[in-house]
Amino acid sequence: AQSVTQLGSHVSVSEGALVLLRCNYSSSVPPYLFWYVQYPNQGLQLLLKYTSAATLVKGINGFEAEFKKSETSFHLTKPSAHMSDAAEYFCAVTVQGSGNTGKLIFGQGTTLQVKP
Amino acid sequence: GAVVSQHPSWVICKSGTSVKIECRSLDFQATTMFWYRQFPKQSLMLMATSNEGSKATYEQGVEKDKFLINHASLTLSTLTVTSAHPEDSSFYICSAGRGGTQYFGPGTRLLVL
Repeated sequence: AQSVTQLGSHVSVSEGALVLLRCNYSSSVPPYLFWYVQYPNQGLQLLLKYTSAATLVKGINGFEAEFKKSETSFHLTKPSAHMSDAAEYFCAVTVQGSGNTGKLIFGQGTTLQVKP
Repeated sequence: GAVVSQHPSWVICKSGTSVKIECRSLDFQATTMFWYRQFPKQSLMLMATSNEGSKATYEQGVEKDKFLINHASLTLSTLTVTSAHPEDSSFYICSAGRGGTQYFGPGTRLLVL
């Protein structure tokens, strides 16, 4: 069975500061990992995904995440926060099977606040 | 690419009526679509997995007779909330699968009076 834990339900940073959102996963088989962002009253937008290729994954809007198997982590980072980054962020894990799209297991979400 | 739409974006209905929500993949075909429900300040709760041409697979605790799902084509899945009650008020989000990744619609806000 797979699970995801996002450490910190609320993270606050100053504009221009480093953003670090933590995600740890549990999976008995090699996982696929995702980060999604949700703005108020909207659906989820894919930021980036890890699918067993490069362990450092670059996504949209300057975000990146590193898959660390030894730490079972997939933390999301951005060097310099913008006000527009304020949103809810979800980490998710799935197990793929022969081209099918598997069920996503979501973390609890982390609210990112960016202070001017 | 990988755009998913939902219609309507929000709906208000009276208790006891049925509401249909459409989920469309606009620029790709999706064998599998998913329906989620999200409560305020919470994560997404998977309701069911919809496979084109077959019956949906519902998660434990989700009433299949209340939340009817139809996936009649590779670009359209519908969720019908039957005999809606105020406790069904929520934010419903669909997603469509492509290449092992789920792409999400913008969500539908349902308010049952």
